[in-house]
Amino acid sequence: DVKVTQSSRYLVKRTGEKVFLECVQDMDHENMFWYRQDPGLGLRLIYFSYDVKMKEKGDIPEGYSVSREKKERFSLILESASTNQTSMYLCASSLMGDEKLFFGSGTQLSVL
Amino acid sequence: AQSVAQPEDQVNVAEGNPLTVKCTYSVSGNPYLFWYVQYPNRGLQFLLKYITGDNLVKGSYGFEAEFNKSQTSFHLKKPSALVSDSALYFCAVSLTLNFNKFYFGSGTKLNVKP
Repeated sequence: DVKVTQSSRYLVKRTGEKVFLECVQDMDHENMFWYRQDPGLGLRLIYFSYDVKMKEKGDIPEGYSVSREKKERFSLILESASTNQTSMYLCASSLMGDEKLFFGSGTQLSVL
Repeated sequence: AQSVAQPEDQVNVAEGNPLTVKCTYSVSGNPYLFWYVQYPNRGLQFLLKYITGDNLVKGSYGFEAEFNKSQTSFHLKKPSALVSDSALYFCAVSLTLNFNKFYFGSGTKLNVKP
């Protein structure tokens, strides 16, 4: 079975802190994604990556950056966390050209 | 702008009764449609897909969905609900066969009561 692992289930940070969210997948998938999930808004794509060191902006990239130095790992970075970035963050991966996304369990981030 | 609508925030149904979770979409081009389910404290899991072919597609756990092009809908159905079906359901659409960008609906919470 594909496993997508997000390093933290819950995270509490202060406004202005730099925050790293880590995601690792174990199935050699080319595509990796970061979404945020908010009640009533569903999932919104922040960034995705289709290869090492390659990235593309999603629908809401402002305030975020990403890093993909190795194929299995995709990091989401909040350079200076703000309260409006309090959310559930979901990582997903997929094979190139395959329609099925595999999701991690999510990281609930609270920014105080 | 592309969008996916799930008009009901919540659907309540008694165990054993049929259930429907609604999804409509507004996109340019041919849509590829999906349903995902999210159980508490878990990530989303793939349920079923429509890519091409028969408009009625069957998926995991006895769920099925019907693609209706004229009504731009892709409603999720199950003939007999189980309490264990209680979860959050998301409809999603991709516009390309690269499947590297999906638009998700806002989600519908399904409550199945014994």
